Amino acid sequence: GQQVMQIPQYQHVQEGEDFTTYCNSSTTLSNIQWYKQRPGGHPVFLIQLVKSGEVKKQKRLTFQFGEAKKNSSLHITATQTTDVGTYFCAGRTGANNLFFGTGTRLTVIP
Amino acid sequence: DAGVTQSPTHLIKTRGQQVTLRCSPKSGHDTVSWYQQALGQGPQFIFQYYEEEERQRGNFPDRFSGHQFPNYSSELNVNALLLGDSALYLCASSLDGLPWEQFFGPGTRLTVL
Repeated sequence: GQQVMQIPQYQHVQEGEDFTTYCNSSTTLSNIQWYKQRPGGHPVFLIQLVKSGEVKKQKRLTFQFGEAKKNSSLHITATQTTDVGTYFCAGRTGANNLFFGTGTRLTVIP
Repeated sequence: DAGVTQSPTHLIKTRGQQVTLRCSPKSGHDTVSWYQQALGQGPQFIFQYYEEEERQRGNFPDRFSGHQFPNYSSELNVNALLLGDSALYLCASSLDGLPWEQFFGPGTRLTVL
């Protein structure tokens, strides 16, 4: 079955440092989404990538979709304490349901 | 404009019991998906309802069933509860044709003792 893996599982950074999480799928994806879940909260949709090699930016966040549409990354520049949470990628093949990745829990040390 | 709402917030049950969780979608949304999120894991898709029918289903046993009402709200039922069913149950709503714009509710934390 389809699997979506994320690395690293945990990441501790000093405030101001950059952060990157990587997402890899065992199958080619039609699109990939990224979510942020704060501690005790629910996943909040951040963005969707559809095209091969697509790059999208949201302020300090940069999202990339691999050329083969099997991997993706989220990069945060100059982290802030408000960036704390778990970041999930979620991939979809065709019209099928979303497969969430294992998540990367980000801790930002002030 | 209310977002996705779920009830109850927390629930404690014992093994073998049955539970019903409820979800009201975001205004204007007609599709409801249910996810199970175990502690420290990503959400896992249970099933999706559209036009009062189950449209897609993940890898969950028949003990998990659902329903969607004419007003688009939905219920998730779990029979014969197991300890492993303890998790955060998330409901997400979207509009058919725009599946990527999916909004999650706050979830129901189910503990099975």
